[in-house]
Amino acid sequence: GAGVSQSPRYKVAKRGQDVALRCDPISGHVSLFWYQQALGQGPEFLTYFQNEAQLDKSGLPSDRFFAERPEGSVSTLKIQRTQQEDSAVYLCASSLGPTGQPQHFGDGTRLSIL
Amino acid sequence: AQKITQTQPGMFVQEKEAVTLDCTYDTSDQSYGLFWYKQPSSGEMIFLIYQGSYDEQNATEGRYSLNFQKARKSANLVISASQLGDSAMYFCAMSPFGNEKLTFGTGTRLTIIP
Repeated sequence: GAGVSQSPRYKVAKRGQDVALRCDPISGHVSLFWYQQALGQGPEFLTYFQNEAQLDKSGLPSDRFFAERPEGSVSTLKIQRTQQEDSAVYLCASSLGPTGQPQHFGDGTRLSIL
Repeated sequence: AQKITQTQPGMFVQEKEAVTLDCTYDTSDQSYGLFWYKQPSSGEMIFLIYQGSYDEQNATEGRYSLNFQKARKSANLVISASQLGDSAMYFCAMSPFGNEKLTFGTGTRLTIIP
């Protein structure tokens, strides 16, 4: 497809388990972003890649959160030892870069921690 | 740091009427971009319109226009001739030039009444 693809669409995990969320950006998009959206709130920035370089990870809530984009295309957001407060929708977006280009979002992964 | 304020948690508008969604922002950056996104109940974030801080003319995209008042730091979205399909959450967002990460407001839930 032509859009940003995220998988899985829904993920349920028990507290303490590790999870991995995948993002496949639009082909040719240089920049890739991860956001966390709590229920009823706007998305909050987590981290940002330009090609394979992680340029900003200031929004990652703790060292349990880790993101990678090893070949400058697909990205994975990993959450270790999940906690209930990690429950949220995780949105991935990509853009052509540079500044001023709109970010195009995937449908998100809804993560529920029991 | 950037801050986006959307003061209207919810709005109800009659079909075919025009509607203005308010957005004010705060930033110390001289150059920045402003964005509006639509999020239907299905969850995807849809890019609507972009305005650069140096653009002298207000941006327009079909039925959407952005009423940009730089001195007031406001970037209101105007939707003309509203349709039932416009019912959704609307988010205002900004990013400084040179750093693409978006800061979002808390959103406005728009409901179009037939």
